[in-house]
Amino acid sequence: TQLLEQSPQFLSIQEGENLTVYCNSSSVFSSLQWYRQEPGEGPVLLVTVVTGGEVKKLKRLTFQFGDARKDSSLHITAAQPGDTGLYLCAVRSIIQGAQKLVFGQGTRLTINP
Amino acid sequence: NAGVTQTPKFRVLKTGQSMTLLCAQDMNHEYMYWYRQDPGMGLRLIHYSVGEGTTAKGEVPDGYNVSRLKKQNFLLGLESAAPSQTSVYFCASRDSGNYEQYFGPGTRLTVT
Repeated sequence: TQLLEQSPQFLSIQEGENLTVYCNSSSVFSSLQWYRQEPGEGPVLLVTVVTGGEVKKLKRLTFQFGDARKDSSLHITAAQPGDTGLYLCAVRSIIQGAQKLVFGQGTRLTINP
Repeated sequence: NAGVTQTPKFRVLKTGQSMTLLCAQDMNHEYMYWYRQDPGMGLRLIHYSVGEGTTAKGEVPDGYNVSRLKKQNFLLGLESAAPSQTSVYFCASRDSGNYEQYFGPGTRLTVT
């Protein structure tokens, strides 16, 4: 069973459209991170959300942490081809007595010109 | 400042062969990680290190060994490669006071 469930797994839309992707769990977390991974590269951190209900904006990207700190959403306004990539959410979790970063399976986003 | 680098970028192995993947970071980070990424599985932690000379098992350690003899380097070894180890391998590092992980560009490994 995945600790984090991301949806949708795949999304292909036209340039200029808006979209929202989700990261859900039944567990409560102290913080949640969103990474973007472009083809042929490693993931890069976009944002960390910490407080329940917190909203952070990064240009056309809006990240929200759920009030109960169990889920998060990423909304992109007027998507551009440069937004294409794999979007991963990640949380810190105690595994075998040590704190580790656990990733969701990702949403693969394609923005068509 | 190169960040995190990985060598090689691509490799093809035959079943039973061995190889070592090298990760290097120039940010003086304490923590280093090896992940594998497979379609639909996200990133899964293989082994990690919390400092020079220390290593620990992650989620999927079987078939891999690691060493951290120098703070800036983290090596991942496959003693006897199997087709199930075909994957993209990522190394990451982070500072002890910050939970942001910095990733390398990945190594694409195919085992035939």
